[in-house]
Amino acid sequence: GESVGLHLPTLSVQEGDNSIINCAYSNSASDYFIWYKQESGKGPQFIIDIRSNMDKRQGQRVTVLLNKTVKHLSLQIAATQPGDSAVYFCAEDYNFNKFYFGSGTKLNVKP
Amino acid sequence: ETGVTQTPRHLVMGMTNKKSLKCEQHLGHNAMYWYKQSAKKPLELMFVYSLEERVENNSVPSRFSPECPNSSHLFLHLHTLQPEDSALYLCASSPGQGGTNEKLFFGSGTQLSVL
Repeated sequence: GESVGLHLPTLSVQEGDNSIINCAYSNSASDYFIWYKQESGKGPQFIIDIRSNMDKRQGQRVTVLLNKTVKHLSLQIAATQPGDSAVYFCAEDYNFNKFYFGSGTKLNVKP
Repeated sequence: ETGVTQTPRHLVMGMTNKKSLKCEQHLGHNAMYWYKQSAKKPLELMFVYSLEERVENNSVPSRFSPECPNSSHLFLHLHTLQPEDSALYLCASSPGQGGTNEKLFFGSGTQLSVL
């Protein structure tokens, strides 16, 4: 069936560097995507979203890029901080607010 | 604090027990969801309620029984669970205006262990 997947299960970066987390999706009809952050012992927390009529969206220190041609989504975090250490999920809305979630990428920020 | 509160945070139960998970949202949303998060697996959608009506049952076994008495409260009743049902159960809500492309707001989850 359709699925959302992440290329890298674990990413380690130095504090202050930029982080890039990637996601591949397979449902070409999906029209809305969200990145979530999940810290230990907490539920997923919304970071940023993007609709399929856009290819880039920026927030505070975060940017999401969408490449519909290759069905690829990425999350860029600028000047990564220790507080950014968490698991990051991408999610695709495949059918009226029903989401497929990726398995998650664990981001480790080294001081 | 996301405005979605789940209790209890942790639950240990035997296979013959009956227990309930509770979720309350303070966001004025109309749609509520149950998701299951198992170790090293993606979040799995279980149930969706919109305006207190169940609109999705994602092939969930009958030992899981949801209840939505009003748009602010959602329950998951558990009965004769199996050890493989041990997981983090997450509740979420969304505005539920009848459209699509709505953000989900999650609670912190209930960590369930079935012995």
